[in-house]
Amino acid sequence: GEDVEQSLFLSVREGDSSVINCTYTDSSSTYLYWYKQEPGAGLQLLTYIFSNMDMKQDQRLTVLLNKKDKHLSLRIADTQTGDSAIYFCAESTSSYKLIFGSGTRLLVRP
Amino acid sequence: GAVVSQHPSRVICKSGTSVKIECRSLDFQATTMFWYRQFPKQSLMLMATSNEGSKATYEQGVEKDKFLINHASLTLSTLTVTSAHPEDSSFYICSARTGSVGNTIYFGEGSWLTVV
Repeated sequence: GEDVEQSLFLSVREGDSSVINCTYTDSSSTYLYWYKQEPGAGLQLLTYIFSNMDMKQDQRLTVLLNKKDKHLSLRIADTQTGDSAIYFCAESTSSYKLIFGSGTRLLVRP
Repeated sequence: GAVVSQHPSRVICKSGTSVKIECRSLDFQATTMFWYRQFPKQSLMLMATSNEGSKATYEQGVEKDKFLINHASLTLSTLTVTSAHPEDSSFYICSARTGSVGNTIYFGEGSWLTVV
């Protein structure tokens, strides 16, 4: 079945780049998403990438997709303390259901 | 951008009662909405897919008689937790698919349910 895995925790210094990694198993995934969740809040869509792309950049965010290895990453440039949150990657199945990873808690140190 | 709104954001109910949570797409029509449940410090678990004008599709292990879903219009889906018990206490989040290019899926702000 489908499975999405992420590392649980990442700590970076303010101003550095953060790279959050994700692996997935469903090779038929059409879209892959990155969401941000702050404590007690819903999920904020950060970006998504279509499976036939290998890179997408949106301001400070860069998504890299290696379809062969089923590996997805999110790079946040110039990480700020306001970026501290939990980041979820998710793959979209053919029925548009999202399968989520366990989430990566990003801590940005001043 | 597209916005999905949930109401109420927090609700406390007595054990044995029912509680309804609404999910609205504010500036787009959503033929499909999804309901997720999130336990503290855990990932999201899909409960059901809500299709406008038809019965919801429940994931394995989710009791359809306990979690009633109604998708009466293209902008509103409701989740009713019937005969709630303390173990139903959780964070419930809905999402809606825009159907536009990218099949963008937006989430609501979530609803905290506490059953006492």
